[in-house]
Amino acid sequence: KNQVEQSPQSLIILEGKNCTLQCNYTVSPFSNLRWYKQDTGRGPVSLTIMTFSENTKSNGRYTATLDADTKQSSLHITASQLSDSASYICVVSLMDSNYQLIWGAGTKLIIKP
Amino acid sequence: DAGITQSPRHKVTETGTPVTLRCHQTENHRYMYWYRQDPGHGLRLIHYSYGVKDTDKGEVSDGYSVSRSKTEDFLLTLESATSSQTSVYFCAISPGAPSSGNTIYFGEGSWLTVV
Repeated sequence: KNQVEQSPQSLIILEGKNCTLQCNYTVSPFSNLRWYKQDTGRGPVSLTIMTFSENTKSNGRYTATLDADTKQSSLHITASQLSDSASYICVVSLMDSNYQLIWGAGTKLIIKP
Repeated sequence: DAGITQSPRHKVTETGTPVTLRCHQTENHRYMYWYRQDPGHGLRLIHYSYGVKDTDKGEVSDGYSVSRSKTEDFLLTLESATSSQTSVYFCAISPGAPSSGNTIYFGEGSWLTVV
């Protein structure tokens, strides 16, 4: 069964600190992996997209890594800001589908001043 | 921000009534999607479109229909709303298929309550 699991479910850190969110997937055939940020009451916003040949991709203070061998990805947030408080969702796209995405349940991140 | 407008943004309706949600895009993207988001679930695809008048079912399509008569508009209809369809509905667009690495852009959501 195609699945995407994220950990932790929730995380609270102090402003200015770094954090890392985890994503493990069992999806085949794999096409690409995405990280989205979703603010409360808003639509998801794309942060990064990585194919199996890409190990790292950055978007400002957000850096995603991908290990296609172990089927793990992480999202590292550097020098967190209050505006980083949101849910972060890992999503995997299937190679043989023109629409199907496997969504993780998300990690809810709270940044405290 | 991608030019996606959903309407209405908030609606309360009674069980058994028909409801239509509209998604309008200004990006001329080929693909359009309707998702629903509920607590405890990831986003779930209802229907998607890969061109004008080309639509297909997603994983939770029962009770929903869609139409796309123009590139820019994608309509989601609940023929006879039920309480289980109370949810947040997101429209999304992409220039091509997700499997090709295309970014998917989401609208701001439509909050539907069925009483």
